[in-house]
This record gives sequence, structure tokens and C-alpha cells, in this order.
Amino acid sequence: QQQVKQSPQSLIVQKGGISIINCAYENTAFDYFPWYQQFPGKGPALLIAIRPDVSEKKEGRFTISFNKSAKQFSLHIMDSQPGDSATYFCAADNYGQNFVFGPGTRLSVLP
Amino acid sequence: DAGITQSPRHKVTETGTPVTLRCHQTENHRYMYWYRQDPGHGLRLIHYSYGVKDTDKGEVSDGYSVSRSKTEDFLLTLESATSSQTSVYFCAISEGYDAGELFFGEGSRLTVL
Repeated sequence: QQQVKQSPQSLIVQKGGISIINCAYENTAFDYFPWYQQFPGKGPALLIAIRPDVSEKKEGRFTISFNKSAKQFSLHIMDSQPGDSATYFCAADNYGQNFVFGPGTRLSVLP
Repeated sequence: DAGITQSPRHKVTETGTPVTLRCHQTENHRYMYWYRQDPGHGLRLIHYSYGVKDTDKGEVSDGYSVSRSKTEDFLLTLESATSSQTSVYFCAISEGYDAGELFFGEGSRLTVL
């Protein structure tokens, strides 16, 4: 019940295209859904996050879509750039009690 | 960048030897965490601390112990390293309960031969 599922495992997108990564969860007590971005040799860093009282949050080219009834959320990267090539992790948290990460998606944006 | 320093950054050791990884923060954050990262598993919580001398187990705590004698330092110890503990270990900090964002260090790569 604590698991967060993430797909796809890897993703290749052309420059300027849209990258979409999906996550699903089971625990309805989760109240915070962040996305982390990790470059090789670095620690993950927060990219964007959403709480379940809204269905969408946009920051620049990055958008989280959240579907509470389906227990799913997704990351959309518009106008993908080679500099976006990284591993992306979705996560879910339960009021600070249990921060759970998905297995990660390796994104490659081709020039 | 959050002031988090992990040491050592790389270590190769042999099965059965003790290993200690150190996390040092300059942010005065209350919560500190140790995660391990393995392909296909994302980040899994080993132990966390919610204050000096206050620690608790995470999802994959077997074979690991932690200590926090000062706010700024959180130590992860493998009493007798095994090959299954070959991984990249990340320290993270957060401001407090339900504070949202985790700030991660740059990781410590441990290889157990």
C-alpha cells in the first residue's frame, strides 16, 4: 500500500517534444506529491510538487497533472531540451510520516 | 544549494568490515535521512532522525545502524558490510514534520567486494 509505481522506465524524446511520465499510488493518506530530478553523479533535487487540493500545477515548461479519484499523477515537460536529460523520480508523502519514491524514469532528449 | 556534505564520496571495502558514512549539514534542519539508491528501486529509506539522539527505522534498515549526537551530524554504520549493501547512499535533510521538500547530498558510492 506504500508503493508508488512509475512508468515508463526510460523515455527518449526529440528536442522540442513533450515528455510524459506517469505515477500511481495506493495509499489515500498521501498528501504531497513531488517530482525530483537527478543528474548523473548528483543528488536528486526538487523539480515541482503538488498537493491533492488542486488538479494541476505549472512551473515554466513543467506541469504536474493530478487525478485524485484515479490515484494517479503525471509530469509533463513541454518543449523538451537536451538539458532536461536526467532521471526523474515521483514521490508521495504522508504528512511527513512516510516519504516514498517511485523507481525512476531515465529521460534522454535527443538534439 | 543546501549545505550538506557526505563523506567519504567513494569507498571500496571488503565483506565483513565495518563502514561508517557521515552526513554533515549547515542548515540546522531538524530532520535527517539516509537513503540508498539502486537501479529499479528508486530511493529507499534506511533510517531517519527527528532530533539529536532521536532516530527511527525506515523501509530497509536491516544491517544498518545510525547515530546523531549533534544536530549537524548523522552517521550511518554498516557493522559488517555485505555485497548486497553495495549501493549509492544519499543523505537528505528537511526543515521539519510535513515540511515538504527534501534536500539531498551528492551521495556516497560504496562498493563491498
